[in-house]
Amino acid sequence: KQEVTQIPAALSVPEGENLVLNCSFTDSAIYNLQWFRQDPGKGLTSLLLIQSSQREQTSGRLNASLDKSSGRSTLYIAASQPGDSATYLCASMGYSSASKIIFGSGTRLSIRP
Amino acid sequence: GAVVSQHPSRVICKSGTSVKIECRSLDFQATTMFWYRQFPKQSLMLMATSNEGSKATYEQGVEKDKFLINHASLTLSTLTVTSAHPEDSSFYICSATDGGANEQYFGPGTRLTVT
Repeated sequence: KQEVTQIPAALSVPEGENLVLNCSFTDSAIYNLQWFRQDPGKGLTSLLLIQSSQREQTSGRLNASLDKSSGRSTLYIAASQPGDSATYLCASMGYSSASKIIFGSGTRLSIRP
Repeated sequence: GAVVSQHPSRVICKSGTSVKIECRSLDFQATTMFWYRQFPKQSLMLMATSNEGSKATYEQGVEKDKFLINHASLTLSTLTVTSAHPEDSSFYICSATDGGANEQYFGPGTRLTVT
């Protein structure tokens, strides 16, 4: 049974810093891994999706990497801004797009002005 | 991009009543839809998977007679919380896939409060 873990659970950094959020998963047989952002009381915003055959994806100040062999993914945020404050969730999908998505517990990020 | 809507976005109901939440795929046909619940400051937990025209598959610990799921068409799935209790208060999110794409698309969520 797939388990997805995220550390740290919470992180507070000053504005402008680069930071890394970590995600680990127990079953490397994944279809893809996705990073989401969730603002308080809101739904999910998809940030980056990495297919199982890919190593990383980039969008603006965000870069996500995937290492299936070690069961790890990282989300790198460059030059953090107060607007980046949110909860970040990573999630693994099983063998196809119709497979279950298993979510990590999330990292609550706070960027101090 | 693919859009999934949920209705209502927020609902308050009295204990013992039933409430229905709709999940719609607006610009694609959703062969499979998923329902999640999220308690405050916790992650999303999958409740059930539904395929159009067949019975939903529930995750362990989810009561199928309490959380009725219907996926009668390729664009609509409904979740009915029957005889709701305060402990059912949660954020319910659906997702949908057309089976051919490489990702699932999530709805904006429904906040249920049972008083």
